This record gives sequence, structure tokens and C-alpha cells, in this order.
Amino acid sequence: EPEVTQTPSHQVTQMGQEVILRCVPISNHLYFYWYRQILGQKVEFLVSFYNNEISEKSEIFDDQFSVERPDGSNFTLKIRSTKLEDSAMYFCASSLDVNEQFFGPGTRLTVL
Amino acid sequence: AQSVAQPEDQVNVAEGNPLTVKCTYSVSGNPYLFWYVQYPNRGLQFLLKYITGDNLVKGSYGFEAEFNKSQTSFHLKKPSALVSDSALYFCAVSLTGGGNKLTFGTGTQLKVEL
Repeated sequence: EPEVTQTPSHQVTQMGQEVILRCVPISNHLYFYWYRQILGQKVEFLVSFYNNEISEKSEIFDDQFSVERPDGSNFTLKIRSTKLEDSAMYFCASSLDVNEQFFGPGTRLTVL
Repeated sequence: AQSVAQPEDQVNVAEGNPLTVKCTYSVSGNPYLFWYVQYPNRGLQFLLKYITGDNLVKGSYGFEAEFNKSQTSFHLKKPSALVSDSALYFCAVSLTGGGNKLTFGTGTQLKVEL
């Protein structure tokens, strides 16, 4: 069964450093998403991406964040200058249409 | 704006008994409703959805949920709980024509005991 994959599973970085989180969505899916889950809290929407552009973003997704689909298979989330409060589990998801989104296993980001 | 409420942080049930995990939602339009399950150190797994049609939807692992428009609820149910159902359950809503953004509830920890 096709699945969304994410790398790395755990990323540790120093405050102020740039990080790139990588995702490979399900191959025939058209919509791509990033969500995050701060420890013990609910899952929060960050951004959705369709037809090579951002279709919606939350107030969390400020200028420090960017997304890219560089090669037609990968979908990346970049945080330019990480802050302590960026520590969270980041989930990538993809969907074919407005139906269910399929989530990856997540990348745990720890900012020291 | 759209929101989801899961009023119970934790639900405890004995194996073999029926279980209910509650969810209410608020959207300014017609909702799409979803249930996801999260096992420890794992991602979110899709359980079931309501898009349109029959108010009772059946999903994976014997779970079902009933859409109640008048009560704006979408409670998750299972007739006979298993210990292996113990996990964190999230209800989520998106708005039709709203770009597919999922808004999640705070989650309900289900604990099924022998």
C-alpha cells in the first residue's frame, strides 16, 4: 500500500540554524500539506500546496517558513532560522482530492 | 472559522464493551468530518470520513461514526472494544470548498482494559 514517507525521523538543531524537512507524498496525489504537533498539544495546520503554489497557510507559517516541491516527488519544509518554540513533530500529508489526507510518520524537530 | 471540540481527554472502557469518543464541530458551511488515530511514536492513521450521504459511516477496524447535523456532532463508536484499540483519537473538520485544511480537536486518549 502506498504511503507518505518523511526524513529524517529526528532532527536536532541549534537555535538560529536552518533546517529542511523532507517528505515524499503518495505518487498520484495532488495536494500536499504540512502540520505540526507540539508535544502534548493538538495537530495544527501549517500550509497546503497545490499546482506548485501555496493554496492556504496559517498564521504560524510566517516568513521563516517556506515549502517547495523541487523535483515532482519530494515536498520540503524549510525553516530559515529556528527558534526554541519550533520544537515539535512535523507531519507531511498528501491527498488526491478533498477526501482523506494520508499522513507520514513525522519528523521530530528539537531546537536547542 | 472552523473548530472541533473533543470534550473528554480520556475514555476508559473494558474490553468487549461498546465505546464512544465524542466530537462536536463548528463550521460556517457544510463540513467534511474525519477521525484519525495515533499510536505512540507514529503518524496519524485515517479511520473514517463523512463527506455526504448516509449519516452513519463505517471505517477501518470496526469503527463507525454518526453525523448529526442538528447537534453538530460526529461521535466515534465501536460495538466491542479491543485492548489494541488503545490509542489517541483525533476528530478533524474541513470546509467544503475551503482548500482542504484540516482543523483537529485536542484528541481523546482511549484506554481499553481487560
